[in-house]
Amino acid sequence: LAKTTQPISMDSYEGQEVNITCSHNNIATNDYITWYQQFPSQGPRFIIQGYKTKVTNEVASLFIPADRKSSTLSLPRVSLSDTAVYYCLVGDKDNYGQNFVFGPGTRLSVLP
Amino acid sequence: DTAVSQTPKYLVTQMGNDKSIKCEQNLGHDTMYWYKQDSKKFLKIMFSYNNKELIINETVPNRFSPKSPDKAHLNLHINSLELGDSAVYFCASSHASSVETQYFGPGTRLLVL
Repeated sequence: LAKTTQPISMDSYEGQEVNITCSHNNIATNDYITWYQQFPSQGPRFIIQGYKTKVTNEVASLFIPADRKSSTLSLPRVSLSDTAVYYCLVGDKDNYGQNFVFGPGTRLSVLP
Repeated sequence: DTAVSQTPKYLVTQMGNDKSIKCEQNLGHDTMYWYKQDSKKFLKIMFSYNNKELIINETVPNRFSPKSPDKAHLNLHINSLELGDSAVYFCASSHASSVETQYFGPGTRLLVL
């Protein structure tokens, strides 16, 4: 299983762009990169998923370099409500999700 | 119109008891999951289940067992509860073809005394 490494915590101010980088040096060919967000006392929520290059949706962008050994979640113009834990997961679609492993995540604190 | 729901939200019980947590999804998904989030906030998958196959994480004690009466439900039964079972338990669901895109329930906070 591919192991991921993220910063434990980050601080930002409202209105700034936040980039959270995840390292996954042993990512396999069939692995996808997925990011989840978890607010206190809630279940994780899917944010974005990609395989290579760049993916953008209404919430965030995901940048994946050609070697796929890392990925960067970009949150544009964060607000206080973006304070949460952000998880980077790497895994393939086999084995009914057992290969997607949640790490400790990055605790983002957005300050006024 | 809740997508994934769990009951109860809170569960306080004594060691040695047997308890169940219910999970229902109305998303039409064919795969459901149970996760455990401990006090250190690590989220670990316990079970993956669809109408064909049950995948059990090897670290899960056999006191834990999922029961699926139909595709929309996956209940978690826990026998002989132990102090270390105290945690938040999350149910999730997805399509089997999109296991990376899971929808989580609100969680059940279990406290074993």
